[in-house]
Amino acid sequence: EVQLVESGGGLVKPGESLRLSCAASGFIFSSCTMNWVRQAPGQGLEWVSSISSSSTYIYYEDSVKGRFTISRDNPKNSLYLQMNSLRAEDTAVYYCARKRLTGDHLGAFDIWGQGTMVTVSS
Amino acid sequence: EIVMTQSPATLSVSPGERATLSCRASQSVSSNLAWYQQKPGQAPRLLIYDASTRATDIPARFSGSGSGTEFTLTISSLQSEDFAVYYCQQYNNWPRTFGQGTKVEIK
Repeated sequence: EVQLVESGGGLVKPGESLRLSCAASGFIFSSCTMNWVRQAPGQGLEWVSSISSSSTYIYYEDSVKGRFTISRDNPKNSLYLQMNSLRAEDTAVYYCARKRLTGDHLGAFDIWGQGTMVTVSS
Repeated sequence: EIVMTQSPATLSVSPGERATLSCRASQSVSSNLAWYQQKPGQAPRLLIYDASTRATDIPARFSGSGSGTEFTLTISSLQSEDFAVYYCQQYNNWPRTFGQGTKVEIK
């Protein structure tokens, strides 16, 4: 079964750090561009970051640049998001999502995890 | 950044009726446009990609059209399981951006 399972969420104080993980199974993880997408409580979806299959290409949404770092470990079929200097506005459910295999950098997100909640509050 | 604007914000439809959702991009995204469905407490699910191609296992009552800046998702005959929030997303440019969502509710 094709599956993504996130973990690592929790309650942290402003300025603290958190590392999210996403475990992939059922597909060739090392061939896929992966993404993090977040959703604040009661709000819409916001793309956060993307990483290409071999980590050559990495992109971030402006508000997280310099604070968040996306990475992957292909032998472990795992995706990560290191989040530093967390702010209240980072409070959200964080989803990992796979980009469809298309042969280029363009593609919709066809597989999503169930999400992990991050709450930033003093 | 490409801004995606969805309308209406809420659509009230009776079961069996047709629903038409719109998505407009602030600049051309070619056909690099996806539609997702999200139900409460669940992750989004891909419905349509490349503006008009149904994803795996998506019923034929869902169809997408458009290119450039104007896109439409049509649900031909609403079933009870279709009441949800729908998002469009462009993947033509960085950053990838989503619309704010259209909630389809029971009339």
